[in-house]
Amino acid sequence: ETGVTQTPRHLVMGMTNKKSLKCEQHLGHNAMYWYKQSAKKPLELMFVYSLEERVENNSVPSRFSPECPNSSHLFLHLHTLQPEDSALYLCASSHLRRSPNTGELFFGEGSRLTVL
Amino acid sequence: GEDVEQSLFLSVREGDSSVINCTYTDSSSTYLYWYKQEPGAGLQLLTYIFSNMDMKQDQRLTVLLNKKDKHLSLRIADTQTGDSAIYFCAEIPISGGYNKLIFGAGTRLAVHP
Repeated sequence: ETGVTQTPRHLVMGMTNKKSLKCEQHLGHNAMYWYKQSAKKPLELMFVYSLEERVENNSVPSRFSPECPNSSHLFLHLHTLQPEDSALYLCASSHLRRSPNTGELFFGEGSRLTVL
Repeated sequence: GEDVEQSLFLSVREGDSSVINCTYTDSSSTYLYWYKQEPGAGLQLLTYIFSNMDMKQDQRLTVLLNKKDKHLSLRIADTQTGDSAIYFCAEIPISGGYNKLIFGAGTRLAVHP
């Protein structure tokens, strides 16, 4: 077990569907992240929650809606997606930055999303 | 601006050394990282180096940091087929109270017999 669990691992959805990705961490961290991984592109930071408050939203389209009900759970709600949204969505968690925190992120195995 | 660049592909023979290079832009970065991603898996921290260090060695891994040129490299000695993966370089600029890592696009390392 990695400590960060993502479900589902694979998701195929049509452009009119509504679905959600779920992330759960058992590491006692208080910051959680969504990253998007597309082929041959740098990982894109989408959202950051620190102490359950959204602190970063990197110009992500509104068809992606994050939710962080508590420090252990993070969701990414999806609706009316486009085919170019097909990617691997990675969740990560970390401690907040304070010494001696080295800044490490702990990643889940990702949810592979295909939009038809 | 924040940008991390690395070459996309590297092929080496089993037993040889692999050197994966990375350039970054933010001179304020405190830590620099190498993450490894195996097929079908998430990213896993391989090693990191603090910005006041020039070199760090950990078993088969050697990290070299040239702050002047903003260049980071990862050397894997005696590369094995199990080292085949995507390797991501990342930096962490000084900002906020959370770990906003900036990643490169990843270098795919292929090890052949």
